[in-house]
Amino acid sequence: EIVMTQSPATLSVSPGERATLSCRASQSVSSNLAWYQQKPGQAPRLLIYGASTRATGIPARFSGSGSGTEFTLTISSLQSEDFAVYYCQQYNNWPQLTFGGGTKVEIK
Amino acid sequence: QVQLVQSGAEVKKPGASVKVSCKASGYTFTSYGISWVRQAPGQGLEWMGWISAYNGNTNYAQKLQGRVTMTTDTSTSTAYMELRSLRSDDTAVYYCASDYDSSGYYRYWGQGTLVTVSS
Repeated sequence: EIVMTQSPATLSVSPGERATLSCRASQSVSSNLAWYQQKPGQAPRLLIYGASTRATGIPARFSGSGSGTEFTLTISSLQSEDFAVYYCQQYNNWPQLTFGGGTKVEIK
Repeated sequence: QVQLVQSGAEVKKPGASVKVSCKASGYTFTSYGISWVRQAPGQGLEWMGWISAYNGNTNYAQKLQGRVTMTTDTSTSTAYMELRSLRSDDTAVYYCASDYDSSGYYRYWGQGTLVTVSS
């Protein structure tokens, strides 16, 4: 099983600042990496797939990068609606999928 | 528009079984698969398994092998997830997600079904 490790577990950021979230895979997943945003009481929302392609309707302040085992999600200027939990997910072994443990982005 | 509508919340006793449904609309159900993902209270997302709505092929997470069964009813475009021998740590929100318009990542999710296991 491919293990996905996200860091940090919690990120405290002020509105308008940049947030950088990391995701590491225990073995290469090529670019088969997605990012999701989840708010309390809601299903996850797809932000990024293919490591760097924004899903439909996702603002340009969200960007993804990386390949192989190291990936990054960057939110260039945090808006109030961006405070949430973010998960990475590999699909290189589809249909066997794994998620990272999540990073909570909270207001500083 | 694509919609996945799940069945309502359930309360079960330890050792019982639960069957959650996920009714799809807005696309050709049999052309895609459905994954099931669960989330324990305050915890992260855990992939449980996947079923092809085309031929019924399944792939389950190792830790749930033997306790989970995923099926589909193509006549009603509905997917089902049955979990047996329930334990307290199976208490979670269970989500279905469709492969439609993607492959391995998920744009479309059900609203979630809370399953509570308690004596």
